[in-house]
Amino acid sequence: GAGVSQSPSNKVTEKGKDVELRCDPISGHTALYWYRQSLGQGLEFLIYFQGNSAPDKSGLPSDRFSAERTGGSVSTLTIQRTQQEDSAVYLCASSKGEHYSNQPQHFGDGTRLSIL
Amino acid sequence: KQEVTQIPAALSVPEGENLVLNCSFTDSAIYNLQWFRQDPGKGLTSLLLIQSSQREQTSGRLNASLDKSSGRSTLYIAASQPGDSATYLCAVDGLGFQKLVFGTGTRLLVSP
Repeated sequence: GAGVSQSPSNKVTEKGKDVELRCDPISGHTALYWYRQSLGQGLEFLIYFQGNSAPDKSGLPSDRFSAERTGGSVSTLTIQRTQQEDSAVYLCASSKGEHYSNQPQHFGDGTRLSIL
Repeated sequence: KQEVTQIPAALSVPEGENLVLNCSFTDSAIYNLQWFRQDPGKGLTSLLLIQSSQREQTSGRLNASLDKSSGRSTLYIAASQPGDSATYLCAVDGLGFQKLVFGTGTRLLVSP
């Protein structure tokens, strides 16, 4: 498809388990973002990838969270030793990148993560 | 620290009314402001993007204005329709270029 694709759409796991969330951005978009949407905190920025540059991890809430982007395309967000407060919708977005200030971010439908 | 506030939190109107959604932000040093809509269980759909050098953008029945110096933006929806029912979010790149800070949204319900 032409849009940002995220998988799985829903994930239920037990506290303490590790989870991996996947994002497939729009083809040709060099910038990729992860956000988290939770009831208590609204929508929060997590991490930003731009081309081959080192990612901006300034929004990650703890060292249990990490992300990588392979080949400048697909990205995986990993949460280790999940806690109940990690329950949220994790949204991925992509855009044409930092040289295109007039281009919006395009979002996927998100992964709804529930920690039991 | 950039903070974004949206008023009202919820709005219910009959079909056909014109309406205005408000967004304010605390730090005027922004590159862009974006308006999104979010349908239940879905991601965000970009509606309009206003660069900091612009005053407004229009798309169909939607018009967004930006007053950067006062830290305000409005989204005007003309002749509202039931299909406009959704949560509307504004966001500014207050954390640095293209890293968005979101408001808490306005939940809009347009009744037939």
